[in-house]
Formats: sequence, structure tokens, C-alpha cells
Amino acid sequence: DGGITQSPKYLFRKEGQNVTLSCEQNLNHDAMYWYRQDPGQGLRLIYYSQIVNDFQKGDIAEGYSVSREKKESFPLTVTSAQKNPTAFYLCASSIRGQGYKPQHFGDGTRLSIL
Amino acid sequence: GQQLNQSPQSMFIQEGEDVSMNCTSSSIFNTWLWYKQDPGEGPVLLIALYKAGELTSNGRLTAQFGITRKDSFLNISASIPSDVGIYFCAGASGSRLTFGEGTQLTVNP
Repeated sequence: DGGITQSPKYLFRKEGQNVTLSCEQNLNHDAMYWYRQDPGQGLRLIYYSQIVNDFQKGDIAEGYSVSREKKESFPLTVTSAQKNPTAFYLCASSIRGQGYKPQHFGDGTRLSIL
Repeated sequence: GQQLNQSPQSMFIQEGEDVSMNCTSSSIFNTWLWYKQDPGEGPVLLIALYKAGELTSNGRLTAQFGITRKDSFLNISASIPSDVGIYFCAGASGSRLTFGEGTQLTVNP
């Protein structure tokens, strides 16, 4: 089945450590996105990529980094510079084109600080 | 950045009742979307609206794109227990989405 796979489902991190969240899609989508969701809030855009080897900062990029070496993969690294990393992280993908194209979401990774 | 005000924050209704929720923005959007999120999962797209004034239905769901392009509403008719979840509006500017804070819907059988 085609879709977006995020792993792991739950992740625990010690303070001061970097951690990388995986996002893989087999939908042949060019564009991929990372969002952060806090309790009782909507999703906020961290980074997005419209094409391989290119990505842009979203609204809350500080303390995060990404890479886009392959079309199907868009890993997110939560660095030690992110002071409040505990959240639910969602990855999405879409086709690329003029204007908005529907984004399809993975089932998320919940990150907690030990 | 852009902000969306979504209301109400939560709703508690009886099975069979109709539901209405809305979003307003200080900015114009070219596309409005409505998503549903179940606990521990990603949002699922319910309805996409592409033109001001557009009224679109998807089963028991009906959504409208406001004429000013700064608002949208979602109606759910004859609610059922599986309608429980968080409903998000989102406005699109190009490929970027801005989300509302969500409406938590509880349906009592």
C-alpha cells in the first residue's frame, strides 16, 4: 500500500542529545513537510522541501535540521538547541505544482524528554 | 505569522445532533481545508475548498469557503459516535498551510 511511514512511534531523549525522526513515503511525491503539534494546538510548520537537495525553513525551524538526499525520505533532527522538544511530530507529503496540493500525513512520532 | 481562530474549542453533543464549527483569519487564503485527527494518528483530509463562495459536501459533512476568503465553516449532520475526534481548519497560501487550534468533538451515544 502507498503511504507515509514515520518511525519510531514513540521516542525518548535525554536532555542535551540530538535525535533523528524518520519519514519515508512511497507515493512518489516531490514535496515533503514536517510539523510539530502541541497539546490543544494546531500544527506548526518546521521545515519543508519541494524537491530533492532543497528545503526551506517553516515558522518554527530553530533547533531543528533536515536533509533531503532522496525523494522518498525527509529525516528531521531535533537538536540539543531545541529547548522544548517534547511534542507530537507529523510528516506529510504532496505532489508539487502551482498553488496548494493536498498533503497526506503520516501517523506521527511522539517525542518525550527523560 | 498568519493566525486562524477556530471555534468552538470543544463540543459535547448527543448522537443524531448536527454540529457546526468555523474558522476566521485576518489574512486571505486561496484554499481552505478541513481535517479530522483521531488520537495518536495524523490528520486526514475531509474537504478541500478552492474558490470563494464554494460550498462542498462529503457525505454528512458540508463546508463553505467564505466570500471574503477569510473564513470557512464545517457542518456535520446527524452525528454518530465515530465522528469523535479533533477537527482542524487550515488555510493554504501556495504550498504552506496554517492550521487552526482545533475543535474537540465528543458524541454521546
